Amino acid sequence: GNSVTQMEGPVTLSEEAFLTINCTYTATGYPSLFWYVQYPGEGLQLLLKATKADDKGSNKGFEATYRKETTSFHLEKGSVQVSDSAVYFCALGTGTASKLTFGTGTRLQVTL
Amino acid sequence: GAGVSQSPRYKVAKRGQDVALRCDPISGHVSLFWYQQALGQGPEFLTYFQNEAQLDKSGLPSDRFFAERPEGSVSTLKIQRTQQEDSAVYLCASSLASPGGAETQYFGPGTRLLVL
Repeated sequence: GNSVTQMEGPVTLSEEAFLTINCTYTATGYPSLFWYVQYPGEGLQLLLKATKADDKGSNKGFEATYRKETTSFHLEKGSVQVSDSAVYFCALGTGTASKLTFGTGTRLQVTL
Repeated sequence: GAGVSQSPRYKVAKRGQDVALRCDPISGHVSLFWYQQALGQGPEFLTYFQNEAQLDKSGLPSDRFFAERPEGSVSTLKIQRTQQEDSAVYLCASSLASPGGAETQYFGPGTRLLVL
């Protein structure tokens, strides 16, 4: 079956530090890959997505590249801000319904 | 336009009580999904509708869980004879596309259910 593994948190960084949150997946077929973010007190929001191998998704300074050879979709940002503090979920979608399979989430805390 | 809305936002139920959770998707969205998110975990798929048809209910954990979307818009997730293990946040998501696409799913704020 499908599964997503992401690095455990919490991740604590100082403002302007470089961020990497690792995500690897197992899937049948050719999944689409997503990063969702959940800010405190808010619902899940799509951060970025990639639908085929070697695609790069990007948004708000975040990037992730769909790597089929390593079955990975690591999230990166060059300079984090306090406002990036949130829980980040890696997810994949396959099949006719495109239902999403999520990782367990990684909490990011950015301090001044 | 409005996003996905869910009600109630919080629900406390006594064990054995029946509950009904409502989801109002974005207008015009064909696909509707329900997910269950336990504390500290990622959301897990429960069921999927395309318009009024429930095409996938493979994630429903038991026959106490029932979902419907009779007119292809609003959906209700019903849990009968609630148990403590049902305590979780129930998320609803909708998307514009029919199955097979990689369309973005838009999530509601969730209903936090606590079963005592």
